[in-house]
Amino acid sequence: EAQVTQNPRYLITVTGKKLTVTCSQNMNHEYMSWYRQDPGLGLRQIYYSMNVEVTDKGDVPEGYKVSRKEKRNFPLILESPSPNQTSLYFCASSPTDLRYEQYFGPGTRLTVT
Amino acid sequence: GENVEQHPSTLSVQEGDSAVIKCTYSDSASNYFPWYKQELGKGPQLIIDIRSNVGEKKDQRIAVTLNKTAKHFSLHITETQPEDSAVYFCAASIAGANNLFFGTGTRLTVIP
Repeated sequence: EAQVTQNPRYLITVTGKKLTVTCSQNMNHEYMSWYRQDPGLGLRQIYYSMNVEVTDKGDVPEGYKVSRKEKRNFPLILESPSPNQTSLYFCASSPTDLRYEQYFGPGTRLTVT
Repeated sequence: GENVEQHPSTLSVQEGDSAVIKCTYSDSASNYFPWYKQELGKGPQLIIDIRSNVGEKKDQRIAVTLNKTAKHFSLHITETQPEDSAVYFCAASIAGANNLFFGTGTRLTVIP
């Protein structure tokens, strides 16, 4: 089944404790992206990647890191999480770029206390 | 960057009635406008999209219209059904860029 998977689905952590949210797609897509969803703000793009070893900032990249060492994986790293990063995070992928449909993962709900 | 505004934030309609959600964008270079539906506990899913060389697009009960001059686009759902209840997001992408800017969402409730 073609899909985007994220792990974990739920995570509660404390301020300053490094964490990684994994994202994997099995559709051989080149483009991958991370979004955060907050009430009243919609979805905002954090980082995106056009292909392996190619990443770029989205609208709200501060406090996040990403890497794209393999085509299928695009982990989101929070090196020192803060409470304002409490949010619902989505990973998405599309075949080549934004001219095509993005397929979203199921989301990761992160709480930073 | 692009600024996408979406209205209304909530919308309730009777089953069988039509629903209209409107979005405006700020950057005239935007040329791709997708609409996503998000059901409870799931990620958004594309339901229809339109590109700037087209004024209207239909897919069964769903249609999207685009007015480039006024920089606004709308989603129209006819003959609404309870399963249409969800949060709907509009988005815009600027030509040549790879960022997608979303509206703030509309929670649609279809009352049986």
